[in-house]
Amino acid sequence: GQNIDQPTEMTATEGAIVQINCTYQTSGFNGLFWYQQHAGEAPTFLSYNVLDGLEEKGRFSSFLSRSKGYSYLLLKELQMKDSASYLCAVNAGGGNKLTFGTGTQLKVEL
Amino acid sequence: GAVVSQHPSRVICKSGTSVKIECRSLDFQATTMFWYRQFPKQSLMLMATSNEGSKATYEQGVEKDKFLINHASLTLSTLTVTSAHPEDSSFYICSARVGQGGETQYFGPGTRLLVL
Repeated sequence: GQNIDQPTEMTATEGAIVQINCTYQTSGFNGLFWYQQHAGEAPTFLSYNVLDGLEEKGRFSSFLSRSKGYSYLLLKELQMKDSASYLCAVNAGGGNKLTFGTGTQLKVEL
Repeated sequence: GAVVSQHPSRVICKSGTSVKIECRSLDFQATTMFWYRQFPKQSLMLMATSNEGSKATYEQGVEKDKFLINHASLTLSTLTVTSAHPEDSSFYICSARVGQGGETQYFGPGTRLLVL
């Protein structure tokens, strides 16, 4: 089976940096995604990693280590609007199906 | 990114009735669409993979006779919740994969279903 773990909640201060970790144990691996989801809305795509290393996209960066089954999403210069749930999802097991973690609810405070 | 729409955005129905939810890819063709369900404060759970021109593939534990999926064209997939019950109340979200070899999935805005 597939198992994806993320912290349930995190709190950070506006302007700061926060790192959200994700560990996974899956049968097969074809890439890892990070999505942002605001309450009551659908997830929006943030990043995709399939090779080891860091992918940077503006204030957001995502890192992957396939040998460790580990990824993190790094958010810089936090803004209040970044308060949301961040979902780690792995494409594994064929068919391009995504298995989602339970999500990390990030709260950005003043 | 690619645009996926869903209709309706919200629906309230009586127990025992059927509800149809549409998922459309607006600016691309999607040979594969996915249907997810999300209960409050939980993550997305894949229900089924919808393939254009063929039968959907359901995940373990999802009743195919209760959740009817039809992928009629390269831009439209529908999910029908038959004989809905209060426990079917949830947030239903579709996604579409861009292109045959595309890895990224783009999500529709979701449909909130409330069964009374």
